[in-house]
This record gives sequence, structure tokens and C-alpha cells, in this order.
Amino acid sequence: GQQLNQSPQSMFIQEGEDVSMNCTSSSIFNTWLWYKQDPGEGPVLLIALYKAGELTSNGRLTAQFGITRKDSFLNISASIPSDVGIYFCAGQLRNAGNMLTFGGGTRLMVKP
Amino acid sequence: DTGVSQNPRHKITKRGQNVTFRCDPISEHNRLYWYRQTLGQGPEFLTYFQNEAQLEKSRLLSDRFSAERPKGSFSTLEIQRTEQGDSAMYLCASSFGGGVSYEQYFGPGTRLTVT
Repeated sequence: GQQLNQSPQSMFIQEGEDVSMNCTSSSIFNTWLWYKQDPGEGPVLLIALYKAGELTSNGRLTAQFGITRKDSFLNISASIPSDVGIYFCAGQLRNAGNMLTFGGGTRLMVKP
Repeated sequence: DTGVSQNPRHKITKRGQNVTFRCDPISEHNRLYWYRQTLGQGPEFLTYFQNEAQLEKSRLLSDRFSAERPKGSFSTLEIQRTEQGDSAMYLCASSFGGGVSYEQYFGPGTRLTVT
């Protein structure tokens, strides 16, 4: 099935470092969502973006909806060990079923 | 807890057996989605309901799969004659279909292993 291109696939960083990841698509979406998934659990919603160019923060997390509507970015500042997990982007077309198309995920590992 | 719940959390079955999973969405949400996630991949859409109506099905949903939401509340996903390729995490999500929020909230998933 179609998936978005998410990069990097994995990151191994030192605690306290900032993290950046991105998601690109060949199709336009009018909503972008970012989720975090821990092993054996379902994805947990972190941030939702609804307008091109929108920049939204949730604590140490900041996400942006790309101007072209074909990409989105997630930044995590001052990473801590509990940030470990897999981060997924998801694109959505509102009013067209609203089903989500997911990226392949970015696995984040944090070294204390 | 008022989040999405799924049962069972884990299911091990032998090839050829039928299995059924249940999802209870957030109570005020009228949209319910099923996704499948295989190891190392993002979730992939299977089907969704608005109230009791099943409005869309993915090509991933073969004839052996059937989903219901009889009263517009909980939903069941049944897989008949399971195959080893059906081994995956089955995720349910719900959302409020209307207004400005289209956010989907996921349950913990049901991990299916077909031996």
C-alpha cells in the first residue's frame, strides 16, 4: 500500500540533543498528524496540523505543515530517554473518508 | 479510562482457524477505523465506519475479512480461514466525524500470530 517517505529511518542520539525528522509525499494532504508508538502499543497522537505553513508546538515538540502541502517536519528539543520510540507521520484528506496514510516511521534511540 | 479499547490484546491461532477482534471506540466518536500494521511498517488502512455504515474498504481487505459495527458503537473484525500472512497488529482508531477536529485516536491493538 501507499506510504509516505519518512526520514531518517532511525536515529541514535545523545540525551539533550535536538532531533529533526521529516515526511514527504507525492500527493497533497490537507492534514498532517504525528504519532509516537511504543513497542506493543498503539500510536499516540502528538500533534495535528491543518493549514499549509502552520507551525504548532506541544511541549518540546514542534511540527510544521509544509507550504507545498506535500511534506511535514517534526522537531524534538532537548531529548530525554522517554522520547525513545517510533515516530510516524500521517497524511489525511479531510472530507474524503479521512483515512490516514502513514510513513514508515523514524526509530529514535536516546543514549543517556 | 475513556480511550479506545481493543480485545483481545494478543491472539495466537492455527492456520485455517477463524478469529474475531473487538474494538470499543471513544464514546462520542461516530467514526471508527481499522488498520493493519506489520513489523517495521506504518499502519495501513483497512476499512472505516460512520455510525453503523461501512463507507470504505481497502483493497487489502480480502474476502476472508469482514467488519461490522451493528449499533454504531463497538466494532468487530473477523478473519476467516487465517493464513500466516495475516500475522500483524490490528489497530482500531476512532474520531469525531464533524466540526474542525479530524484527529484519530488509536487503541492498543490486537497482535495476531498465525502458526
